[in-house]
Amino acid sequence: SQQGEEDPQALSIQEGENATMNCSYKTSINNLQWYRQNSGRGLVHLILIRSNEREKHSGRLRVTLDTSKKSSSLLITASRAADTASYFCATDASGGGADGLTFGKGTHLIIQP
Amino acid sequence: DAGITQSPRYKITETGRQVTLMCHQTWSHSYMFWYRQDLGHGLRLIYYSAAADITDKGEVPDGYVVSRSKTENFPLTLESATRSQTSVYFCASSEGHYNTEAFFGQGTRLTVV
Repeated sequence: SQQGEEDPQALSIQEGENATMNCSYKTSINNLQWYRQNSGRGLVHLILIRSNEREKHSGRLRVTLDTSKKSSSLLITASRAADTASYFCATDASGGGADGLTFGKGTHLIIQP
Repeated sequence: DAGITQSPRYKITETGRQVTLMCHQTWSHSYMFWYRQDLGHGLRLIYYSAAADITDKGEVPDGYVVSRSKTENFPLTLESATRSQTSVYFCASSEGHYNTEAFFGQGTRLTVV
């Protein structure tokens, strides 16, 4: 079953604008991660935020985590055409169960030149 | 070359045939994973391995077999392929269990006809 659910499913913006994607999850987590997938390629890790962290930055990426609401957001500032990709949140659940990350269905981001 | 590689990249097989997807990583990561990616489902965990000779089921293990005799290799076998196993398969590895990123291969696109 899906742990994370991204919102929106698809997003189209103009180059230079900011893009915000949201992720909601169901159970307690150790951490939440964001990955990018370009068309026909494997997933690439972007950023990891631990359950005791509220905000994290990496270059043009800003991730927030609200464990009380079981939600996270990924902000990409000053978007570029190369940011066109699918973005997935993944949770590393605490409390047992199978190891491995549980992924959402992704947000497909299109940056219009 | 360092990294994680999957082979083949593309495979067409007939219903009922056995097919093995290969995964090789050069980092000596302890953990290795197999995911399948389908439209509408995102990525789902098939099997994972915490170390050589230790494997366990994920969310969707039925119809698949794995082995891990060496740390660097984690082959996935479909014993009798079905059309429902048509998918893109991703292998991943990670250094540890908690709070570590996963590194993904480029994927194998499998079509069962």
